[in-house]
Amino acid sequence: ELKVEQNPLFLSMQEGKNYTIYCNYSTTSDRLYWYRQDPGKSLESLFVLLSNGAVKQEGRLMASLDTKARLSTLHITAAVHDLSATYFCAVDMGDMRFGAGTRLTVKP
Amino acid sequence: NAGVTQTPKFRILKIGQSMTLQCTQDMNHNYMYWYRQDPGMGLKLIYYSVGAGITDKGEVPNGYNVSRSTTEDFPLRLELAAPSQTSVYFCASSIGQGNTEAFFGQGTRLTVV
Repeated sequence: ELKVEQNPLFLSMQEGKNYTIYCNYSTTSDRLYWYRQDPGKSLESLFVLLSNGAVKQEGRLMASLDTKARLSTLHITAAVHDLSATYFCAVDMGDMRFGAGTRLTVKP
Repeated sequence: NAGVTQTPKFRILKIGQSMTLQCTQDMNHNYMYWYRQDPGMGLKLIYYSVGAGITDKGEVPNGYNVSRSTTEDFPLRLELAAPSQTSVYFCASSIGQGNTEAFFGQGTRLTVV
């Protein structure tokens, strides 16, 4: 069965702290994507990871991909309130499957 | 550059009615997708297409139909609407062939009463 599992599903953190969101998937793929969704809005692409060992960074967010472990991580450094959103990973398994999302709240 | 355009943005249907959600993209993308997102949940793939004339079922295709007669358009048809189809529907497109980064439309919020 094709599965994409994210954890945690809910994350409340204080400004200035670091944390990592995990995305595990069930079948071989070397194409993984991270998206951000603000409440009531559509999805916005954050990172495109197309090979084993790929690492991308944008501001306080850094994403990585380990295709052998079937694992991607989204690391948040020194969180700020503007990062509050829901973050989704998606894996190309022939079709595009999404994780359930991690709802991140950053508190002052 | 419009990207992916969905219409309508909002719709209320009565049980048993039918409707078509429109999706068009102007990026000459090969791949197109339809997802539904229930409140507080992730996205579930309904149907997708890797090119004109080709469509495939996703995770939750029952109660829906699609067609892909042109590269630009990928309409989603609901026949005999049911309350379980109340959701937000997103259309997306991607280049395909090695990079399937998806670009999303703004969504259609559908309520079936």
